[in-house]
Amino acid sequence: GAGVSQSPRYKVAKRGQDVALRCDPISGHVSLFWYQQALGQGPEFLTYFQNEAQLDKSGLPSDRFFAERPEGSVSTLKIQRTQQEDSAVYLCASSLVVGTGELFFGEGSRLTVL
Amino acid sequence: DQQVKQNSPSLSVQEGRISILNCDYTNSMFDYFLWYKKYPAEGPTFLISISSIKDKNEDGRFTVFLNKSAKHLSLHIVPSQPGDSAVYFCAASAVSNYQLIWGAGTKLIIKP
Repeated sequence: GAGVSQSPRYKVAKRGQDVALRCDPISGHVSLFWYQQALGQGPEFLTYFQNEAQLDKSGLPSDRFFAERPEGSVSTLKIQRTQQEDSAVYLCASSLVVGTGELFFGEGSRLTVL
Repeated sequence: DQQVKQNSPSLSVQEGRISILNCDYTNSMFDYFLWYKKYPAEGPTFLISISSIKDKNEDGRFTVFLNKSAKHLSLHIVPSQPGDSAVYFCAASAVSNYQLIWGAGTKLIIKP
């Protein structure tokens, strides 16, 4: 597609449920990032992929968070046993190169944990 | 510890006037700075950037100024237009690190 596509756009989960958020980056973009944005805050880095390799997962808040990009294109962010503090918008971004910071963002997946 | 700060949560400017959005940072390792614009229910979109080797970068109505000694950058929009109403985020990175560190954003409202 022309831009970064994320699904679902909105997800409501009961505390303790597992969720999976999908990101389809711009075709040919080697770099893929996941960010978490809490209400009224700027995005915070979660993890980074270069092709299929997860080069940095230092921002993942706990071992309940897991991300993968098995074929170097679509990525999935999985959150196990969701907690209320996981409620946020999860943004996926891709870029053709690494290091410039000029990321192309999707519209985000808004997760609400009840 | 916030490494990138946008101290004004909101700013209201008359259409046609200049909008000035400010951003301060604390990490001297940052060498690349960006401004992103965000409309409601959309992801951020890249607006303009500046490398630490420059003190000014201009793109149409948008100019970013960097004052390294003060660890301060600003975004100037002139003239301001109604479509500029959005939340503006300042972000920074170091060449050795591809993580972007973001400010909390400033909501710009352009009054007709």
